[in-house]
Formats: sequence, C-alpha cells, structure tokens
Amino acid sequence: GNSVTQMEGPVTLSEEAFLTINCTYTATGYPSLFWYVQYPGEGLQLLLKATKADDKGSNKGFEATYRKETTSFHLEKGSVQVSDSAVYFCALSRTSNTGKLIFGQGTTLQVKP
Amino acid sequence: DAGVIQSPRHEVTEMGQEVTLRCKPISGHNSLFWYRQTMMRGLELLIYFNNNVPIDDSGMPEDRFSAKMPNASFSTLKIQPSEPRDSAVYFCASRGHGIEAQHFGDGTRLSIL
Repeated sequence: GNSVTQMEGPVTLSEEAFLTINCTYTATGYPSLFWYVQYPGEGLQLLLKATKADDKGSNKGFEATYRKETTSFHLEKGSVQVSDSAVYFCALSRTSNTGKLIFGQGTTLQVKP
Repeated sequence: DAGVIQSPRHEVTEMGQEVTLRCKPISGHNSLFWYRQTMMRGLELLIYFNNNVPIDDSGMPEDRFSAKMPNASFSTLKIQPSEPRDSAVYFCASRGHGIEAQHFGDGTRLSIL
C-alpha cells in the first residue's frame, strides 16, 4: 500500500546549522509529494510540494527534490533559525481525485541559539 | 483571505457528554477532511467529504463518532458519548477542486475528563 516514512526525531541543531530530514515513500503510480510544517499550537501549513519526478519544491529557504529512483523527498535547509523549530510532516497524495494525503509520523526540529 | 475556521479552539468536558466540533472551510473549496492528532497515534484521517458527500469514513474510530456536512460552508464532528480516550487535537482541512494541497485550521484541543 501507500506509505510515508520519516526519520525519527527529535532533531536538535544549533542556529545556522545545515538541516536534513529524511523522507521515503511507497506508492503505486506517480504521487505528488508534500512537506507540511506545524508550529506549536497551530495547524499544519503547506511548506512546499513537488508533483513529478526530479521536481524541486522550495519555500522559505527549505528545499526538497522528488527522487523517483530512490523514492525519497528529503527536506533540506542550509542555515536553520530558532524560528524553524516545529514539527515537519512529509506526505503524499494518492490521486488528485480523492484528495487524500498519506502523512508520515512527523519529525520534531528544535533549533537552539 | 480567511482560512479554515474551527470552533471551539479548546473544549473541556466530562466523560459521557456530547461534544460537537465545528468547521468552516475556505470559500470555494469542495473537499473537507477531519483529522485527529495524538502523541501516541500521530495524525489520523477520520473522514472526508467531497462536494458535501462523505466519501471515506473508514478512519472514524467507532459509532460514537459522526460527521455531517449540510452545506459547502459548514461541517460538524460529533462525539456522543465522549470518553477520556477521545482527548486529542482535532483538525479540519479543506481543498479546492483540482488542487492537491490541503489547508488546515488551527484545530480544537479536546479534553475529556
């Protein structure tokens, strides 16, 4: 079936460090892939997305590339800030008709000054 | 633009009471999703609607849970009777036609004593 696996957290980094959060997926067909971010006390917000192989999604300094050969969509940022502390969710969309998203378990990022 | 609006933001009630959570999706969106988030189980999809019609309710935990969408601008999730294990944050999300990303509300934090 369709599934998403994220690296376990929490991830603790110092400010300005390089961030990678791994995400791999299992899916039939050609899903779209997403990263959502959840700040404390808030709902999930779309951070970036990619709809086909080799697409790179980017937003707010974060990037992720859709790698079909490795079924991965790893999230990266070159220099994290304290304000990036949040929970990050990787997700895939099975088909655009149903609109259902399959979420990973979430990875908590804590950035220390 | 107004996002997805959920009410109440917080609800504390005693076991056995009826609980009703409300959601107003983004105007023009035709799909609506209810999720539950707990530390133990992460983010779970409970039910989703397309054009006000329930499409998949396989995530609804048991008959105590019910959801309705009487029109395109309003949905409710009801728990009757409530139990302590229902304590969680409940999110509503909506999606526009042909658009895969979902927009989340800020959630309702439910505590059943």
